[in-house]
Amino acid sequence: DSGVTQTPKHLITATGQRVTLRCSPRSGDLSVYWYQQSLDQGLQFLIHYYNGEERAKGNILERFSAQQFPDLHSELNLSSLELGDSALYFCASSVAVEDTQYFGPGTRLTVL
Amino acid sequence: GENVEQHPSTLSVQEGDSAVIKCTYSDSASNYFPWYKQELGKRPQLIIDIRSNVGEKKDQRIAVTLNKTAKHFSLHITETQPEDSAVYFCAASSSGAGSYQLTFGKGTKLSVIP
Repeated sequence: DSGVTQTPKHLITATGQRVTLRCSPRSGDLSVYWYQQSLDQGLQFLIHYYNGEERAKGNILERFSAQQFPDLHSELNLSSLELGDSALYFCASSVAVEDTQYFGPGTRLTVL
Repeated sequence: GENVEQHPSTLSVQEGDSAVIKCTYSDSASNYFPWYKQELGKRPQLIIDIRSNVGEKKDQRIAVTLNKTAKHFSLHITETQPEDSAVYFCAASSSGAGSYQLTFGKGTKLSVIP
């Protein structure tokens, strides 16, 4: 157990819908990273927040957005879902920006 | 941006033999290189990492070597055991622009045959 929690574990929804994935970092960690894992694209960085501020964006679609709240938990919002958005979504947290990232258990999103 | 190539994509070894996985990266500014192990449907777990100020790091049966000049790094697992069977990912990161996002290789599926 890494100490990073993610909810829900599984999510099944339909195309065009909107979902919210939640991540709680390890106690004391200020950085939260979001990654998407799919069979064809592998593990890809989406977005990074540090202490409430967005620090970097990767291959994140405009339909996706995220935020980090004052209690440091983070949410990834996915809207206008498409079949291709089906994937495992991981968040990872670290104490500071340059520290080791510890991954949560992931949320498996299935879009039907 | 950074690009990480990982080889081989699959690797089968007999129990007790060694396994070596190799990665190359493109961004000379990269200075942090972690390796993650992922079992089916589970989260990636850090097994070892190395920073650019050292050339080698060892933790029991696992070692990582880094050649900054050639921009490649390798994972070495000795005395492999069936529980080492998993997918292994290398990654590279640099501290530019206030973030430390990881760029991952495509993964190596390691099978240890008892």
